[in-house]
Amino acid sequence: QKEVEQNSGPLSVPEGAIASLNCTYSDRVSQSFFWYRQYSGKSPELIMSIYSNGDKEDGRFTAQLNKASQYVSLLIRDSQPSDSATYLCAVGFSGGYQKVTFGTGTKLQVIP
Amino acid sequence: GAVVSQHPSRVICKSGTSVKIECRSLDFQATTMFWYRQFPKKSLMLMATSNEGSKATYEQGVEKDKFLINHASLTLSTLTVTSAHPEDSSFYICSAQIRGITEAFFGQGTRLTVV
Repeated sequence: QKEVEQNSGPLSVPEGAIASLNCTYSDRVSQSFFWYRQYSGKSPELIMSIYSNGDKEDGRFTAQLNKASQYVSLLIRDSQPSDSATYLCAVGFSGGYQKVTFGTGTKLQVIP
Repeated sequence: GAVVSQHPSRVICKSGTSVKIECRSLDFQATTMFWYRQFPKKSLMLMATSNEGSKATYEQGVEKDKFLINHASLTLSTLTVTSAHPEDSSFYICSAQIRGITEAFFGQGTRLTVV
């Protein structure tokens, strides 16, 4: 069983719409949750981090965490063509350092 | 956010040679650095974790004698691909963490092509 699962997509949304990206994880002791955006041929860049249940908003992005159901989601409001990328969900496990496990990513296409 | 510089961004080498990739944290001390590889349209695969001053911890299936990792200081980690083969061609990415802070900051990545 994969530790972090995402739908590979592609997820296509029209410009201006809300894009909803979902992620589930298997380890109940996970403590830290991240969303990264990766453009083709580039390395990932951190968009959001969330640590407690509920919603966290940053500009057009909202991360939602539900530890009881073991899922984390990312909403992108007013989607723009520049948001077209692969979005990686990452989950952190405790330890002397934070080892982060990545999902396979969801490819988002925003259609003008 | 913190800046991690990875060099070179692209390298082409002949089969059988070795290639060194550097990962530097420019404005912070990285207690832990991670090395990933990524094949086209695939997710990041953690290769190893290195802590300053100690031996790297390799993930299962990663050959430690082939992928040499040195974390010589709190700002520099290197990955050396030894006796490279065409199947080692991939996108290699490093990330760095500050002690007590969960977020990992990524370098720009290195596209390695072995011919």
